[in-house]
Amino acid sequence: QQQVRQSPQSLTVWEGETAILNCSYEDSTFDYFPWYHQFPGESPALLIAIRPVSNKKEDGRFTIFFNKREKKFSLHIADSQPGDSATYFCAASPNTGYQNFYFGKGTSLTVIP
Amino acid sequence: DMKVTQMPRYLIKRMGENVLLECGQDMSHETMYWYRQDPGLGLQLIYISYDVDSNSEGDIPKGYRVSRKKREHFSLILDSAKTNQTSVYFCASSLGTGTTNERLFFGHGTKLSVL
Repeated sequence: QQQVRQSPQSLTVWEGETAILNCSYEDSTFDYFPWYHQFPGESPALLIAIRPVSNKKEDGRFTIFFNKREKKFSLHIADSQPGDSATYFCAASPNTGYQNFYFGKGTSLTVIP
Repeated sequence: DMKVTQMPRYLIKRMGENVLLECGQDMSHETMYWYRQDPGLGLQLIYISYDVDSNSEGDIPKGYRVSRKKREHFSLILDSAKTNQTSVYFCASSLGTGTTNERLFFGHGTKLSVL
């Protein structure tokens, strides 16, 4: 049972465009939603995260949009750069006190110069 | 320097052999994790450890066991490895305060091939 669903599996955009990566979840106890990125041959690293008290979180060119009613959240990468090419994982964690993280299957992003 | 260290980085084993993957962290984190990563499947949780000798199964524990005798060390053991356990294994840690804004720190991964 996939706790967190992520789409698309792969995405190609031109340099300067906005890349949009989507995730959804079912469990209403989830209340922390991080995004990790992973460059080839590297380990995943935290990029940005949101809690549902907000519906938007920005950090430079990276923005999370969160829709609690529809149980969806997305990562928007504005002005995409070739250096953004990586695999992006969304995740969710419940408010049960201990940190179980459920990851999506990942989106492989390619930014073409 | 906050670090999660995994040993070895690469490992080749024959089917039926035992495998030991080691993980250490220098941040005094309470919670540690073992994930495996396969193409198209993302990160799948094998085991989570909340502290010394306090371990819980994740989503895919079958064929694996873990050991945590010191807070800074978390081992993954494959008894009689199978070819379908060929994967990249990531160890991770988090502070474990119980707050819902924690960050996972990942090691560099161990690429295991079972022939």
